[in-house]
Amino acid sequence: DAMVIQNPRYQVTQFGKPVTLSCSQTLNHNVMYWYQQKSSQAPKLLFHYYDKDFNNEADTPDNFQSRRPNTSFCFLDIRSPGLGDAAMYLCATSGRTGGVDTQYFGPGTRLTVL
Amino acid sequence: GQNIDQPTEMTATEGAIVQINCTYQTSGFNGLFWYQQHAGEAPTFLSYNVLDGLEEKGRFSSFLSRSKGYSYLLLKELQMKDSASYLCAVRDQEQGGKLIFGQGTELSVKP
Repeated sequence: DAMVIQNPRYQVTQFGKPVTLSCSQTLNHNVMYWYQQKSSQAPKLLFHYYDKDFNNEADTPDNFQSRRPNTSFCFLDIRSPGLGDAAMYLCATSGRTGGVDTQYFGPGTRLTVL
Repeated sequence: GQNIDQPTEMTATEGAIVQINCTYQTSGFNGLFWYQQHAGEAPTFLSYNVLDGLEEKGRFSSFLSRSKGYSYLLLKELQMKDSASYLCAVRDQEQGGKLIFGQGTELSVKP
């Protein structure tokens, strides 16, 4: 039973060509996050939503945008991908499940920029 | 500043016990998480500590000392499939708090 779903799992795009990654959740959690993770590095938070309130990290480039049309869905838009944006993009949710506040990650989307 | 420290890599033998340490200095604290991440996959939740003490869950246990800014993850009866990266993360506030991740500890389990 997938709880945090990301599509696609693998995305190939060309340098400068806009790309959108999607995330959906069945947990009804009110917080959703987008992380960027490069090889052998810790996940780096890009931004998060608390309900509809958008919170951008100070060092997230303007090239990265996000939309959350409803509780279940969240999108990551990369307006002009550069070679340095090739990474795994992880979506996560946060909420109280089984009495414990936890963060759950989706399977990730691996982005390749040619 | 925010700082999470854990060893970069560790090696252990199948069937043995290994302890992965994590120290943290953060502006706020509302829980410490341990995640397991296999290469090319998303992190998987292992444990959560918000109060001092030991939390046991099967072969995995996690300990927290808030006064010392210290946690460890204990893995018993190591199996080859436990070879993975183990990420320590601190949540910095109560609601909607983001996780601050350490660099991860790459654990290699050898026969």
